[in-house]
Amino acid sequence: DIVMTQSPDSLAVSLGERASINCKSSRSLLYSSNNKNYLAWYQQKPGQPPKLLIYWASTRESGVPDRFSGSGSGTDFTLTISSLQAEDVAIYYCQQYYSTPPWTFGQGTKVEIK
Amino acid sequence: QVQLVQSGAEVKKPGASVKVSCKASGYTFTSYDINWVRQATGQGLEWMGWMNPNSGNAGYAQKFQGRVTMTRNTSISTAYMELSSLGSEDTAVYYCTRAGSPVHNWFAPWGQGTLVTVSS
Repeated sequence: DIVMTQSPDSLAVSLGERASINCKSSRSLLYSSNNKNYLAWYQQKPGQPPKLLIYWASTRESGVPDRFSGSGSGTDFTLTISSLQAEDVAIYYCQQYYSTPPWTFGQGTKVEIK
Repeated sequence: QVQLVQSGAEVKKPGASVKVSCKASGYTFTSYDINWVRQATGQGLEWMGWMNPNSGNAGYAQKFQGRVTMTRNTSISTAYMELSSLGSEDTAVYYCTRAGSPVHNWFAPWGQGTLVTVSS
């Protein structure tokens, strides 16, 4: 199974500042035939189901604010919130969907306001 | 809009089974896989398995093999997840979620979740 490891486990960022979350996979998520990285990011607020933010490592889901961006390739990926807003306080998860199941998630990163 | 609506909270005794439903609307039910993910209180997301509503084929995480069954009723656009031999460690919120495309498994949208509590 592909193991997904996020860092840090939590971070506190001032309003308006940048937040970056890292996600590392135990094998490459880059599919050579289409040059796509099979990596998604989700946001989960307390008491709510997860919400898709990004897929293909960098494609923003419709309606997601452009302060959220995804980058990286192969085994190392980053979710960046360019200017943290109060409503961005949440837990963020990465997930791989490379090739065949099982699909696996990172352990989550909690983002708080400093 | 695409929506998944799950059945209500359940309380079960150890050793019992639970069956959670997930009603889909706003899209062609048979065109996208349904996946099930659970989350224990204060814990992360755990993928349980997938089901193809068109064929009825399903695949399960090794951890749940022999204990979980995922089915569907296409006439009412509803998917089901049944988990047997429940133990306290199965107390969690169970989510259904749709594959993001007919062939790729990012997940959107998600159902609202169903809390299953296992307690004697």
